[in-house]
Amino acid sequence: DAGITQSPRHKVTETGTPVTLRCHQTENHRYMYWYRQDPGHGLRLIHYSYGVKDTDKGEVSDGYSVSRSKTEDFLLTLESATSSQTSVYFCAISELAEQFFGPGTRLTVL
Amino acid sequence: GENVEQHPSTLSVQEGDSAVIKCTYSDSASNYFPWYKQELGKRPQLIIDIRSNVGEKKDQRIAVTLNKTAKHFSLHITETQPEDSAVYFCAATTGNQFYFGTGTSLTVIP
Repeated sequence: DAGITQSPRHKVTETGTPVTLRCHQTENHRYMYWYRQDPGHGLRLIHYSYGVKDTDKGEVSDGYSVSRSKTEDFLLTLESATSSQTSVYFCAISELAEQFFGPGTRLTVL
Repeated sequence: GENVEQHPSTLSVQEGDSAVIKCTYSDSASNYFPWYKQELGKRPQLIIDIRSNVGEKKDQRIAVTLNKTAKHFSLHITETQPEDSAVYFCAATTGNQFYFGTGTSLTVIP
């Protein structure tokens, strides 16, 4: 597996609380992505980054923000978690088109 | 934006038979088409990919074909084995954002 880690791997939180998920890479890849995976929907892009401080929205960005202050780290923040954001979140990295995924974070919002 | 459709959503085959999964895409600018295999509770893993300047690519028992005119590409698995059982995702990209199909759950019956 490519050098991608995600933390935490599992989290249970309550509605209305802020949550931050971290993705860390050791591959020095330019692109980093955050996806959510839900049954019947496949993988849907939340936000992506094409360099330090350079980010853009994906198809399901409402309720999420991201930051990338270093090449190796990409943070996903849920400002005020809702039950609809219960999902499995995958980070991915890419260089020259090939994309590799992190191990995932299972988030449950009660 | 790009729209990727994947069929079938579920597929059962006898061990040793072939399996075919098909995807269509809408954006003629898409130029890279990866396929991922995801086992239960694991991350998606890249298994094969094809670029728009190639019509077919093969790697042992798996192959991918691309028809740019019709905007469709397919995954072919021959001599299926029980360990091929998983969910398979297709994707398309122009280089930045990846658009995924909704997945095919393949079951190989021993």
